[in-house]
Amino acid sequence: KAGVTQTPRYLIKTRGQQVTLSCSPISGHRSVSWYQQTPGQGLQFLFEYFSETQRNKGNFPGRFSGRQFSNSRSEMNVSTLELGDSALYLCASSLVGGSNTEAFFGQGTRLTVV
Amino acid sequence: AQSVTQLGSHVSVSEGALVLLRCNYSSSVPPYLFWYVQYPNQGLQLLLKYTTGATLVKGINGFEAEFKKSETSFHLTKPSAHMSDAAEYFCAVSGDSGGYNKLIFGAGTRLAVHP
Repeated sequence: KAGVTQTPRYLIKTRGQQVTLSCSPISGHRSVSWYQQTPGQGLQFLFEYFSETQRNKGNFPGRFSGRQFSNSRSEMNVSTLELGDSALYLCASSLVGGSNTEAFFGQGTRLTVV
Repeated sequence: AQSVTQLGSHVSVSEGALVLLRCNYSSSVPPYLFWYVQYPNQGLQLLLKYTTGATLVKGINGFEAEFKKSETSFHLTKPSAHMSDAAEYFCAVSGDSGGYNKLIFGAGTRLAVHP
């Protein structure tokens, strides 16, 4: 079956702009989580959605937001981009989203802010 | 709050040698523990997980890990390294976010395998 699909794979934006990243989970999966990966901070949890509701949020500023659609596809948005937002953004999907369930990761979107 | 410490940001082994990647965790609730592998320009792939039950967990590609509550450890081992094992490995913990999916990752260990 198809894995988690993230689009686009690479993105270059200018400071101050906004960006939207997309994630299509594995068919049947209802939980989608987002993570930011940087060399300095490592992998950090952004937020998790289940059935269109945000259930959990990490320690990121309000410029980072997300949403989930009725087909479980998810988008995350970053407004007023800063240089420090340059990172690999990873999306993970899981069947029901319990803390003991396996999360399947996409290949990520590499965002570069210049 | 939960946290993970991976000892050694870089580990280098010879092909055929034992692989040992160390992970210690901190958790106020019974933890769920995971090992993920990341190849260059790729996402994360689950190697194995511990939820409940048997403390020795076997995963893919010949890897295994043992949950030791008394030592708060979950070290990853493989008896014989292969060149294709060269990648970055992440230990992660979850379980204290109200049952919802939130992984706390360690800083990662980059494994190099030389001939």
